Amino acid sequence: GAVVSQHPSRVICKSGTSVKIECRSLDFQATTMFWYRQFPKQSLMLMATSNEGSKATYEQGVEKDKFLINHASLTLSTLTVTSAHPEDSSFYICSARIGLAGDHMGETQYFGPGTRLLVL
Amino acid sequence: AQSVTQPDIHITVSEGASLELRCNYSYGATPYLFWYVQSPGQGLQLLLKYFSGDTLVQGIKGFEAEFKRSQSSFNLRKPSVHWSDAAEYFCAVGYSGGYNKLIFGAGTRLAVHP
Repeated sequence: GAVVSQHPSRVICKSGTSVKIECRSLDFQATTMFWYRQFPKQSLMLMATSNEGSKATYEQGVEKDKFLINHASLTLSTLTVTSAHPEDSSFYICSARIGLAGDHMGETQYFGPGTRLLVL
Repeated sequence: AQSVTQPDIHITVSEGASLELRCNYSYGATPYLFWYVQSPGQGLQLLLKYFSGDTLVQGIKGFEAEFKRSQSSFNLRKPSVHWSDAAEYFCAVGYSGGYNKLIFGAGTRLAVHP
């Protein structure tokens, strides 16, 4: 149980184009999904927190107009990198959390396999 | 501010040897603590977690971790390492505030010699 998928697993695009990455919870409903960015040989950096039906909460320094997040249902969140540039090339990982804050089991985040983005 | 420190960037052990990966955290209240493992080019897999209760927690793949409040530590251990354990290991602390975000340590890369 608690499987999270991401699509695509890797994508190559031209500079200036937009790329959409999907994150799905396959066997549970996720009230909250998180988007992370990971540079080579570094840790995960939280970009934003996404709650179903509401606007995402972005971390300081993350451009909300560049990284558009939509959480349309309890099983799907999307990250769109708009007008991508080479510096946006990275490994993007989503995670999903079961349940509500305060519920111990709900505090666990389950991670997707990641999407590697290369902007040429 | 909350923080997680993994002092060892890279560790190499021989197959069959014991392993301990260190993790220290800074947090004002009782934290939720996690260990995740990441294979190259992959997402993160949850190894184990601590919320409350017994301070020695058992995880998957033969791993265990011990929460020591007095030392603000949550070290990961395995009595006998297998070659397939070679990966990147991340310690993370979850905290209240907003929607219970995770703060990750920098990670420890484990290499296993045959």
